[in-house]
Amino acid sequence: SQTIHQWPATLVQPVGSPLSLECTVEGTSNPNLYWYRQAAGRGLQLLFYSVGIGQISSEVPQNLSASRPQDRQFILSSKKLLLSDSGFYLCACGTGFVYGYTFGSGTRLTVV
Amino acid sequence: DAKTTQPTSMDCAEGRAANLPCNHSTISGNEYVYWYRQIHSQGPQYIIHGLKNNETNEMASLIITEDRKSSTLILPHATLRDTAVYYCIVSMDTGRRALTFGSGTRLQVQP
Repeated sequence: SQTIHQWPATLVQPVGSPLSLECTVEGTSNPNLYWYRQAAGRGLQLLFYSVGIGQISSEVPQNLSASRPQDRQFILSSKKLLLSDSGFYLCACGTGFVYGYTFGSGTRLTVV
Repeated sequence: DAKTTQPTSMDCAEGRAANLPCNHSTISGNEYVYWYRQIHSQGPQYIIHGLKNNETNEMASLIITEDRKSSTLILPHATLRDTAVYYCIVSMDTGRRALTFGSGTRLQVQP
C-alpha cells in the first residue's frame, strides 16, 4: 500500500513570502496526485491534480501553482503568499484501483 | 459525479451503533458510493465503498438501498475515537478521478 509523506507539518509565513510544500509517495508508481486545501471550519477544496510527470490541472484560479518533477513527487508553490492562503493543505494519491485515496498528514499553513 | 446530501451533524452514545445516512438520488449505474472520515487536523481516511451490494469490513458496514438512491454507513460500536466528519462521495473510480468532498456529517460520540 502507498504511503504519503508531507512536510512540514506546520508553517507560519509572512504575507508576500514564497511557499514550497512537498509531497512524496512511496509504495506505488504512476499515481494520480492531488493537492487539497481546507480552510478553517470548511470542507476540502481540490486545488490541483496530476496524472503524470509535468502534467498539472488546476481546479480553481488562485495564487498557487503546482509542479510534478518526478513520478512520486508533487510540489505546491507560491511566489507571494496572501492572508487568504492560510489553511490546511493535504496531498493525496490515487492509483486507479477502487479503494480510494490515501492522504498525507497535511501541512497547516498560517500566513501572518 | 452525483451529488450527495448528508445531515450536518449527529450524536451517538459510546458503545452504540452509529448510523450515518446519505442521499444520492442522481447516482448513475457505474458510480460507487465511498465513505471517508476526517478526524480533526488529520487527512481523510478511507472507510468503505460499495456499488450495489452491502459491504462490511473491519471498520464499518455499508448498506445501499435497492434503488441505490441512498445509503447508510454503520459503525457497529462507536467509540470516542470515531468522533470525526464523515464524507459520503459518489464517483465512478477514485483512482483516476479527483474526488469532490462535500460538507459531510460531523459525528460526535458522547461518553
